Formats: sequence, C-alpha cells, structure tokens
Amino acid sequence: EAQVTQNPRYLITVTGKKLTVTCSQNMNHEYMSWYRQDPGLGLRQIYYSMNVEVTDKGDVPEGYKVSRKEKRNFPLILESPSPNQTSLYFCASSSSKATEAFFGQGTRLTVV
Amino acid sequence: GNSVTQMEGPVTLSEEAFLTINCTYTATGYPSLFWYVQYPGEGLQLLLKATKADDKGSNKGFEATYRKETTSFHLEKGSVQVSDSAVYFCALRSYNYGQNFVFGPGTRLSVLP
Repeated sequence: EAQVTQNPRYLITVTGKKLTVTCSQNMNHEYMSWYRQDPGLGLRQIYYSMNVEVTDKGDVPEGYKVSRKEKRNFPLILESPSPNQTSLYFCASSSSKATEAFFGQGTRLTVV
Repeated sequence: GNSVTQMEGPVTLSEEAFLTINCTYTATGYPSLFWYVQYPGEGLQLLLKATKADDKGSNKGFEATYRKETTSFHLEKGSVQVSDSAVYFCALRSYNYGQNFVFGPGTRLSVLP
C-alpha cells in the first residue's frame, strides 16, 4: 500500500531534549515536506526537499533541522525543543511527475 | 511569490444546504490546483484536483473548476451531509516556482443535522 508513515504519532517531551520525528514514504517520490498545523494558523511549511541531498527552508524553519540522505526518508530534528514548538506536524511527499501530495497521519508533539 | 487565499471560516450549514468555499490564487505560470480535506483527528486527503484551465475536478459530490481568468478554484457541493464536517484546504503547485506546494489557511465546515 502506498503511504507516508510518520513516527511517533504522539510525543510528550521536555524543553531542551533533542528529538527526531521520522517520515518515510514507499512511493519513490522525489519531493518531501514538513508542515506544522496550529489552531488559527493553518498549515505552515517548515522545510521541503526536491530530492536527495537537496533541502530548502519553508516559512517557519527556525528551531528545526532536516536531512535527506535517502529518497524514502525525511526526518525532522528538533535539537532543543521549546514549548512554542508544541504542534501537530505533518509530512508529505509527491512525485515530480504526478501533481498531488500525499500526507502522513500526523505527529502530535507536546513540549513541556 | 505564489499564494492562496480562501474564505475564512468557520462555516456552519444545515444538512442538505448548498456549499461554496471560495479560493483564489496568485501564481506564475500555470499551476495545478487542489482541494484537500482533513477530517477530525486525521491527516490531509486529496479531495479533488485540476491541472489546467477550465478543468473541473470532482469527487464525493464536490466540484471545483479551474478558472484562469479569475484565478479561482471555488469548491462547491449541492447538498452537504453531517459527514462532510471537516477542514478544507485549497492548494496549488506551480512548476515555475520550484514545484513547491502552497496551501491556503483552511476553512472549517460544520454541518448540523
């Protein structure tokens, strides 16, 4: 089954403790992206990647890192999480030939 | 840069009412246009899409027509159901702009029985 898989689905952590949210897709897609969703603010893009070893900042990259060492994986790294990074995070992927993006189920992160 | 504007919600309708959610865009070139739906507690799912001017996307009774002259892609449904309650996002992908996606802010729809 074609899918985008995020892990974990839920995470509660403490301020300053490094964490990684994984994202994996099995569709051989070139494009991958991370978004955060907050009430009243819609979807805001954090980082995106057009292919392996190619990443670009989105609208709200501060406090986040990404890497794209393999085509299927696009982890989101919070090196020193803060409470304002409490949010619902989505990963998405797409082919450069197809048009639509496919989304993961989301990761709800709480930083206390 | 590219952008998507959609009507602010929340929108509250009675079951069987007619739905319109407006979406307009600004983009270079000829973007592909999408409507995504997010049901409570879930991720975003593609609802419909259109890849060129005058195309009509349709799915589950929803329709939207790609209007280049008005740069619009309004979502419509003739008779909404309680199960349509969700957040709806208009989005575009422009191949003249690095192929990145741009999403609107989302419109929350509540349908009352």
